[in-house]
Amino acid sequence: NAGVTQTPKFQVLKTGQSMTLQCAQDMNHEYMSWYRQDPGMGLRLIHYSVGAGITDQGEVPNGYNVSRSTTEDFPLRLLSAAPSQTSVYFCASSYGYNSPLHFGNGTRLTVT
Amino acid sequence: GIQVEQSPPDLILQEGANSTLRCNFSDSVNNLQWFHQNPWGQLINLFYIPSGTKQNGRLSATTVATERYSLLYISSSQTTDSGVYFCAGDGGSQGNLIFGKGTKLSVKP
Repeated sequence: NAGVTQTPKFQVLKTGQSMTLQCAQDMNHEYMSWYRQDPGMGLRLIHYSVGAGITDQGEVPNGYNVSRSTTEDFPLRLLSAAPSQTSVYFCASSYGYNSPLHFGNGTRLTVT
Repeated sequence: GIQVEQSPPDLILQEGANSTLRCNFSDSVNNLQWFHQNPWGQLINLFYIPSGTKQNGRLSATTVATERYSLLYISSSQTTDSGVYFCAGDGGSQGNLIFGKGTKLSVKP
């Protein structure tokens, strides 16, 4: 099993550009989530989903959109990138919201 | 939402030493978990421990849910234990898992 796969590993954007960070899992997990990690801030929840067709906002949702059309995929969209969105983004999944969480290897995003 | 405090923020150990990391929650918490982020940035789930005690090799964890804290014990530390340790939990908002800011551990040979 590949586990949680994030693409790309690195990305550089200019201010105002849009892009989608991809996240896929092959473990048939119902719960998926996106975090951003900034120095000294720990991990902050952006959006999460408890199953296909269901999404909810976390602590820092502004500037990001998500959808969950399939169990396997949970893409994160940046609509108009800003320098404040420079960060490392982690996708995670688990069988349910009350199960051990497994992380992907992260995407390092730089917005200039 | 709940607040998660981890202590100490930084810890330096000699190889072979033992340590205790603490996680305090501002309110009742469910779904408590501990993670290790290695120096390459990978996040590994160490324990899912909403209550009670679990052990995995040199690591063990105890959660006292009624007193809103959890402890992670590392015995006979090794240089490979270096990295940042995070705890996380949700405070009744199912799926809204909140992380502490972490404890950065450095184990010296």
